[in-house]
Amino acid sequence: AQSVSQHNHHVILSEAASLELGCNYSYGGTVNLFWYVQYPGQHLQLLLKYFSGDPLVKGIKGFEAEFIKSKFSFNLRKPSVQWSDTAEYFCAVDGNKLVFGAGTILRVKS
Amino acid sequence: DGGITQSPKYLFRKEGQNVTLSCEQNLNHDAMYWYRQDPGQGLRLIYYSQIVNDFQKGDIAEGYSVSREKKESFPLTVTSAQKNPTAFYLCASRPSQGRGTEAFFGQGTRLTVV
Repeated sequence: AQSVSQHNHHVILSEAASLELGCNYSYGGTVNLFWYVQYPGQHLQLLLKYFSGDPLVKGIKGFEAEFIKSKFSFNLRKPSVQWSDTAEYFCAVDGNKLVFGAGTILRVKS
Repeated sequence: DGGITQSPKYLFRKEGQNVTLSCEQNLNHDAMYWYRQDPGQGLRLIYYSQIVNDFQKGDIAEGYSVSREKKESFPLTVTSAQKNPTAFYLCASRPSQGRGTEAFFGQGTRLTVV
């Protein structure tokens, strides 16, 4: 079965702190991986994706993620968060269908 | 403007009634999806369609039905068999299933069953 697990449901950080959100997936074949973000009152939008090639991918607003195939992981990172990063973050795996994780709500304190 | 339109934004229905949520896209995308978003559970896949006249069950299809008679439309019917239908429903589309293509989302429909 295809599934996605996000490790933390709520994360609270102060501005300038570093961020790492965990994501693990389960699927036996080739996958594409995504991180989406949902800012308050807005549509879900793509943050970054892994399709092939370099396992370290960079996205918008200074986010990056590393695909570690041996660990079935695709963790999201940002060296220094800002108050405007407050949002809900979803990891998604694209195997034979597009499946999302439960989401992580990030609150950044100014 | 290209995009995905879900209507209505808010919908109220009495228990025991079927209700159909609309999803239309003018992006010429082959693949379309319906998700249900509940607090703490993320987006759960209800149904998806990779091409017109074809669709597959997702992880929580019980109590729901869909059709894909036109490329641009993928309506979702919430039937009276769905035990807990009150939720936020999101429709998405993408050029194709797989291949790393980005999914685009509608604004959602909040369904309340009383």
